[in-house]
Amino acid sequence: GAGVSQSPRYKVAKRGQDVALRCDPISGHVSLFWYQQALGQGPEFLTYFQNEAQLDKSGLPSDRFFAERPEGSVSTLKIQRTQQEDSAVYLCASSRMEWGGQETQYFGPGTRLLVL
Amino acid sequence: AQTVTQSQPEMSVQEAETVTLSCTYDTSESDYYLFWYKQPPSRQMILVIRQEAYKQQNATENRFSVNFQKAAKSFSLKISDSQLGDAAMYFCAYRSAREGFKTIFGAGTRLFVKA
Repeated sequence: GAGVSQSPRYKVAKRGQDVALRCDPISGHVSLFWYQQALGQGPEFLTYFQNEAQLDKSGLPSDRFFAERPEGSVSTLKIQRTQQEDSAVYLCASSRMEWGGQETQYFGPGTRLLVL
Repeated sequence: AQTVTQSQPEMSVQEAETVTLSCTYDTSESDYYLFWYKQPPSRQMILVIRQEAYKQQNATENRFSVNFQKAAKSFSLKISDSQLGDAAMYFCAYRSAREGFKTIFGAGTRLFVKA
């Protein structure tokens, strides 16, 4: 596709509900990242995939957060038993090559999650 | 741990004038990358400019330039001939060359451009 797409763009969940957020990276991009952006803050790293391998998940805030990229393209971020503090914009980014530090990340528009 | 600080929550500039956004960072590493990202109200973040720490020459991209002071750990963004389309949130970001996966962002500066 022309860019990184994410769905849904907006999600309202009741506390305790499970949610799944989807990211479609740019076709052929090897690297994929998830970030969490709280209101008025910069994005915070959650996890990184190189193809289907999750090489870094150090930023996932709890074991309620789980990410996968089973075929090395589309990725899903799942949040179980959502809490109000999970309310944020979740950004996905992809880059063309294996992560080499200065590679350009292309960001999606984000999914705004509101947990009531 | 590395940190990135943007001390200006908001800045304002008159159209066609120049504005400088500040950023400082803290790291014990010598090899790293620094970035400025722009996030317009639609929220799709785009890269504005990038600087490699081993390069002394300041990066420039058209109307955007940086002032990279490695010893002071300072990385400011200068926008010349400001345009209405420059209005956005600007994030300064750091990435280690050794631990390449994680990008650390500052809290951002909201730039207003007045016509």
